[in-house]
Amino acid sequence: GAVVSQHPSWVICKSGTSVKIECRSLDFQATTMFWYRQFPKQSLMLMATSNEGSKATYEQGVEKDKFLINHASLTLSTLTVTSAHPEDSSFYICSARQGSGNTIYFGEGSWLTVV
Amino acid sequence: DAKTTQPPSMDCAEGRAANLPCNHSTISGNEYVYWYRQIHSQGPQYIIHGLKNNETNEMASLIITEDRKSSTLILPHATLRDTAVYYCIVRVNNAGNMLTFGGGTRLMVKP
Repeated sequence: GAVVSQHPSWVICKSGTSVKIECRSLDFQATTMFWYRQFPKQSLMLMATSNEGSKATYEQGVEKDKFLINHASLTLSTLTVTSAHPEDSSFYICSARQGSGNTIYFGEGSWLTVV
Repeated sequence: DAKTTQPPSMDCAEGRAANLPCNHSTISGNEYVYWYRQIHSQGPQYIIHGLKNNETNEMASLIITEDRKSSTLILPHATLRDTAVYYCIVRVNNAGNMLTFGGGTRLMVKP
């Protein structure tokens, strides 16, 4: 299947700082990428849908000014957690739709710990 | 997208077939059935999907009932590495349509 890669795999940051997570589709172009968050022992919750060249669409309850999403190219989307707080500590996962196909593939996930 | 119902957990003996059920009684005609699994601390992995015909690939088989109200994912020879949470998701295939995850089934493969 198609490969989606996230970086970093894990990151620890201080409260109040910002951290960027990258999501790349390695062997295909992705016009649409999705960002999810997963807390321990819970299911994945969709945060936002990222479309190349346009503004992301955020799910209800997700602060767009806190979770900045940029999808500047067909192979890269970034999620920036601004002014991070301990409650933002979570497993962040991106996914991408493979071109004209309809299957969605996921990255390996990024663990964020805010101390 | 239609909701799905899965048992929260199942056990399976190593080497035996694992049959994971999913109910999707409100599925509409243009919704596909997708299966993903998530091994601990990793992103979800695509397994298989189908519309109304049974499907098979190198990982699993998908059996969809004739009325499409339920399906079963079959792992023919489960291994310890198949221990994971398995998600059944129904979804319309279009560009912007995301995957909505429910609770899934936690499959424990035991030696």
